Amino acid sequence: TQLLEQSPQFLSIQEGENLTVYCNSSSVFSSLQWYRQEPGEGPVLLVTVVTGGEVKKLKRLTFQFGDARKDSSLHITAAQPGDTGLYLCLTSGSRLTFGEGTQLTVNP
Amino acid sequence: DAGVIQSPRHEVTEMGQEVTLRCKPISGHNSLFWYRQTMMRGLELLIYFNNNVPIDDSGMPEDRFSAKMPNASFSTLKIQPSEPRDSAVYFCASSFSDLNSPLHFGNGTRLTVT
Repeated sequence: TQLLEQSPQFLSIQEGENLTVYCNSSSVFSSLQWYRQEPGEGPVLLVTVVTGGEVKKLKRLTFQFGDARKDSSLHITAAQPGDTGLYLCLTSGSRLTFGEGTQLTVNP
Repeated sequence: DAGVIQSPRHEVTEMGQEVTLRCKPISGHNSLFWYRQTMMRGLELLIYFNNNVPIDDSGMPEDRFSAKMPNASFSTLKIQPSEPRDSAVYFCASSFSDLNSPLHFGNGTRLTVT
């Protein structure tokens, strides 16, 4: 099973601050997806990255896939309370493994 | 599109009882997944089906757990007998079989076994 490590595990920041969360593995990813989960709901897809070095932007969110395809990061600019949630990465390896997630709280 | 529909939304049962969780995937999706989420272990894949056939059930904790997909529009996850350590949120997700296709999750069933 391909293990995914996410960091930090918890992050609490003020509205307007920037932040970066990480997803790492010792193995090469075939592709990677980022999801956000809000309380009482299932995870929802944010983005899929496939190519090493790829950068994708979704409004204030910037996703980067490492050149070696072993790591990925999610950067949020000017965080808002609506960004609060559990951010999960998922690899489409043999067992569709999720990382443990980063619980982000953005305080108004 | 109604999305993935799970029932019940909440289930409280006593240890030893049988529990059946239900899932209706998105029409047209040919892959279906059952996940379990706990604070301690996060989201764990229990089993997934492709075209109604179980492909990987190595995540099923033990023989007390079983899953079926009798047709493309319905799946069940059964626990018999249930134990307190089975308490968790159980999610069903569906997708197209392309590995890069997004997983569409239901809102989960919160199971409490007392």
